[in-house]
Amino acid sequence: ILNVEQSPQSLHVQEGDSTNFTCSFPSSNFYALHWYRWETAKSPEALFVMTLNGDEKKKGRISATLNTKEGYSYLYIKGSQPEDSATYLCAFDNGNNRLAFGKGNQVVVIP
Amino acid sequence: NAGVTQTPKFQVLKTGQSMTLQCAQDMNHEYMSWYRQDPGMGLRLIHYSVGAGITDQGEVPNGYNVSRSTTEDFPLRLLSAAPSQTSVYFCASSYLTGGVYNEQFFGPGTRLTVL
Repeated sequence: ILNVEQSPQSLHVQEGDSTNFTCSFPSSNFYALHWYRWETAKSPEALFVMTLNGDEKKKGRISATLNTKEGYSYLYIKGSQPEDSATYLCAFDNGNNRLAFGKGNQVVVIP
Repeated sequence: NAGVTQTPKFQVLKTGQSMTLQCAQDMNHEYMSWYRQDPGMGLRLIHYSVGAGITDQGEVPNGYNVSRSTTEDFPLRLLSAAPSQTSVYFCASSYLTGGVYNEQFFGPGTRLTVL
């Protein structure tokens, strides 16, 4: 079982503030790192799939970076809005056809 | 495109009953998978398939069977339901580009309660 850790487990952010959280994964046999956004009562939706060390991806106010050598990825939310409240999941792909998910970062944006 | 569809959305079973959770996708994706989501846990992989006629076990396969007779369909069978199988089940599909799977597309989920 691959160890994918996300921290912090939950965080409360004031509207307008920026925040970030971490996904740690094994640094060997890296194929890809996925980020998903999961709103309550909905299904997870993909944000990014990152494959190269040093990758930076951006979608609106959300961005992610990737360090495959040390085994971590950061997700950033700039100027948090109430609609950013969700659980953010990362998932590690080591090429064996199985994604290993972390437990998620639960974000609550306070208006 | 309907994407990934799952039926039923809700189900209550008694211990020992069997049932099949249906999953279908209309995107011609090679890869399909089943996950379960439990409080305090991440999504855990039950079974997956990389193409019609090919299935394999994930992290938590015990008590479940799958088959993949077509590209579109990937049903999950509970053989003899147990209260420990109370969970939310998600089906997902994906496709390969350059040897790497792209993002997974998730169905709406099935909430199963076993009494």
